This record gives sequence, C-alpha cells and structure tokens, in this order.
Amino acid sequence: GAVVSQHPSWVICKSGTSVKIECRSLDFQATTMFWYRQFPKQSLMLMATSNEGSKATYEQGVEKDKFLINHASLTLSTLTVTSAHPEDSSFYICSARDTERNYGYTFGSGTRLTVV
Amino acid sequence: QQQVKQSPQSLIVQKGGIPIINCAYENTAFDYFPWYQQFPGKGPALLIAIRPDVSEKKEGRFTISFNKSAKQFSLHIMDSQPGDSATYFCAASEETSGSRLTFGEGTQLTVNP
Repeated sequence: GAVVSQHPSWVICKSGTSVKIECRSLDFQATTMFWYRQFPKQSLMLMATSNEGSKATYEQGVEKDKFLINHASLTLSTLTVTSAHPEDSSFYICSARDTERNYGYTFGSGTRLTVV
Repeated sequence: QQQVKQSPQSLIVQKGGIPIINCAYENTAFDYFPWYQQFPGKGPALLIAIRPDVSEKKEGRFTISFNKSAKQFSLHIMDSQPGDSATYFCAASEETSGSRLTFGEGTQLTVNP
C-alpha cells in the first residue's frame, strides 16, 4: 500500500523558536496532503489542506501565519510552526491520498511537539 | 451536515468478545467510509473501508456493516485480542470529489486478557 513518512517523530523546542515538520509520500505522488492536530484523547482536527504548487487552504480558526505550509513537490509537504508557544504543544499528523492506486488516505506516524 | 457521530466513547471487552463501534453521518454525499486504528503516539492506520454500494465488508477479523438508508455504519471485531486495544476512529468523505476526511470522535477499546 501507500506509505507516508513523517519526520521528526518528536521534537522539543524553546518558546519563540520555529519547528519544521516534513511529510513525504514515499511511493506515490500526492497533489494534496492534509495536516491534522490531535490533543490527548481527542479526535484528529484538520488544520489545513496542502496543495502542490499553490497556497494551502486553512480551516477556520487556524492561524496561517503561525502554521506555515509548503507543498513544493508532489512528494513533500512541510508544516512550520513559527514562534512556538507551549500551547502549540500537540501531536501533528499528516496524510495523503494515493489517487492513482485508490489506496485511500494514508497517515504519517505523527510528530509529538513539545514547546518548553 | 459534515459531522460523523461515533459511539461509544470507550469500550471494555474480554478476550474473544466482539466489540461493536457505531457511527452515524448526515451528509448523503459521503461515499467512502474508512475505519482507522490508532495506538498511542502513532498515526492512524487504515483498518478497513467500505463504499455505499455494499452493505457489508469483511477483512480478517474486522467487519464493517453499512446501512445506507439509516446513514449508519459499524465496525465489528471478531475474536478480539488484547493487541486490539487501541483507539478506533470512523471517518467519511466525498471520495469522488477528493474532499478531506471527516472523523468521528473516537472509541477507546480495551480488550482484557
């Protein structure tokens, strides 16, 4: 099946710094990738839809200047959390869909961000 | 219209039992209904998915039952094992239009030995 690789799996950063999370589709091309945020014992909350070669579409309430998304190629999307604060600590997960082989939506392994 | 309601929130069964998790949706345009399994600290993994042209799909110990008229679908886990203890999410999307997944709230399943 389709494979989505996400790095890093965990990161600790200081308040005020920026952190970049990468999401790669390893064996397929993804024109669209999705970024989710998940708090403990809660469901996945869609933050934004990342479109290759164009601007991301952000969900209501998600600060686009804080969560920068870049989808520069058909296999890579990045999420940068800028000027991170402790309240940004969360589990971030990306997803992509292999439309060619109709494998449905595949998720990365997630990134645990802790801002201290 | 975009919501997917999932129940129960948590479920405890004994090994060998058959936990059943239910989901209901409103948007009749949804045409793809997957179930995901998530272990702590990991991303969700696709378990099984169904499309509205069938009423049931079985893969190994996992079965989806789908009731289009009632706009409900459920996951059954046969002969459950302690290793099945995880959080399960149902989801739905308008696959033909490439829209995003709408997730249920999740069910924390515990299978006791």
